Amino acid sequence: QKEVEQDPGPLSVPEGAIVSLNCTYSNSAFQYFMWYRQYSRKGPELLMYTYSSGNKEDGRFTAQVDKSSKYISLFIRDSQPSDSATYLCAMSLGYNKLIFGAGTRLAVHP
Amino acid sequence: GAVVSQHPSRVICKSGTSVKIECRSLDFQATTMFWYRQFPKKSLMLMATSNEGSKATYEQGVEKDKFLINHASLTLSTLTVTSAHPEDSSFYICSAISGTGGLTEAFFGQGTRLTVV
Repeated sequence: QKEVEQDPGPLSVPEGAIVSLNCTYSNSAFQYFMWYRQYSRKGPELLMYTYSSGNKEDGRFTAQVDKSSKYISLFIRDSQPSDSATYLCAMSLGYNKLIFGAGTRLAVHP
Repeated sequence: GAVVSQHPSRVICKSGTSVKIECRSLDFQATTMFWYRQFPKKSLMLMATSNEGSKATYEQGVEKDKFLINHASLTLSTLTVTSAHPEDSSFYICSAISGTGGLTEAFFGQGTRLTVV
């Protein structure tokens, strides 16, 4: 079993839709949870970072962590074509080693 | 955010040759740099962690004699793929953090696409 599971998609949605991206994990010791966005042939960029269970909102993005279920989500409201990218979840035990999910390819069409 | 520059962005080399990839932190001092490898439609796999002035720590299964990492200064780390073979073709990405930063301060380079022919 992989430490972090993420559906690779692709996920195709119309502009304006709410997008839900998810990851599950097996290691209950993970403390830090992050979401990265990666455009084609580019390095990842940090979108959201959460530490505890609950929700964290930043503009159109909401990150949700449920440690009891070992499940994290990223919601994108009012999705735009510019949101089309691969979204990677990442987790850490706290000493700088990040474990990434496989990434979900998202396409938002006009 | 801080800028991490990776060079070259794309390289094609012949089988058996060596290729050097540079990762530079442009506006901060990076005490720790990470090197990842990413296959198409796959996740980033950590290859090694390098701290300035010390030997890199390689992940299990990564050949340290094949993937030479040097972190000689606080702004530069290099990854040299020695005696490259077609199976080394991949997307290599570095990230860097400063001494005062944590995981949220890990900034990624733009990646290097290596093709070995």
